[in-house]
Amino acid sequence: NAGVTQTPKFRVLKTGQSMTLLCAQDMNHEYMYWYRQDPGMGLRLIHYSVGEGTTAKGEVPDGYNVSRLKKQNFLLGLESAAPSQTSVYFCATSFLGLLGGNQPQHFGDGTRLSIL
Amino acid sequence: DQQVKQNSPSLSVQEGRISILNCDYTNSMFDYFLWYKKYPAEGPTFLISISSIKDKNEDGRFTVFLNKSAKHLSLHIVPSQPGDSAVYFCAASAHNNDMRFGAGTRLTVKP
Repeated sequence: NAGVTQTPKFRVLKTGQSMTLLCAQDMNHEYMYWYRQDPGMGLRLIHYSVGEGTTAKGEVPDGYNVSRLKKQNFLLGLESAAPSQTSVYFCATSFLGLLGGNQPQHFGDGTRLSIL
Repeated sequence: DQQVKQNSPSLSVQEGRISILNCDYTNSMFDYFLWYKKYPAEGPTFLISISSIKDKNEDGRFTVFLNKSAKHLSLHIVPSQPGDSAVYFCAASAHNNDMRFGAGTRLTVKP
């Protein structure tokens, strides 16, 4: 999906380490989202942003922080990684948020994160 | 608390036949429903959606049916093609920024 780029694609961390996942989009979308996908659980929303400088909590926000300093970038941070955070992380964007009009989300290809 | 459920983890059909993927939800506030398709090592891609004011939406080989009284929706693919083999996610939202996804159904279309 050329419009949404996630960095890195793979990462292995040790428990307690920190890292930041980067999501960059070139579609000029206002809304951006971070999801995690776990076996048998589908995708669950971690945090989202409705515009530059704004963030909000989703369904499973604990242990994560986010920042949206620029419209095109949405960062997901793990301050002290735990094995329970082993997952595949997806970033998504949409032109209008679900509140402002129902538009499908565009997803990146994911970041596979393993925490030992 | 999984508000969107896809009870069939996998489905296998013959090429040319119909594929029917099912999804159930529990939250009566959901008013917008989507299906996404996902290939390995890629992100989900939007396939088709339906608003709660409709009971059917069609796009080429793909049709989504919504039964609000049963809190059930289904995706029909006719005719199925080998390239349709993927994981299909059902999703729903209630006019907020919290979209809920099902666990997915892996569809295999055999030549």
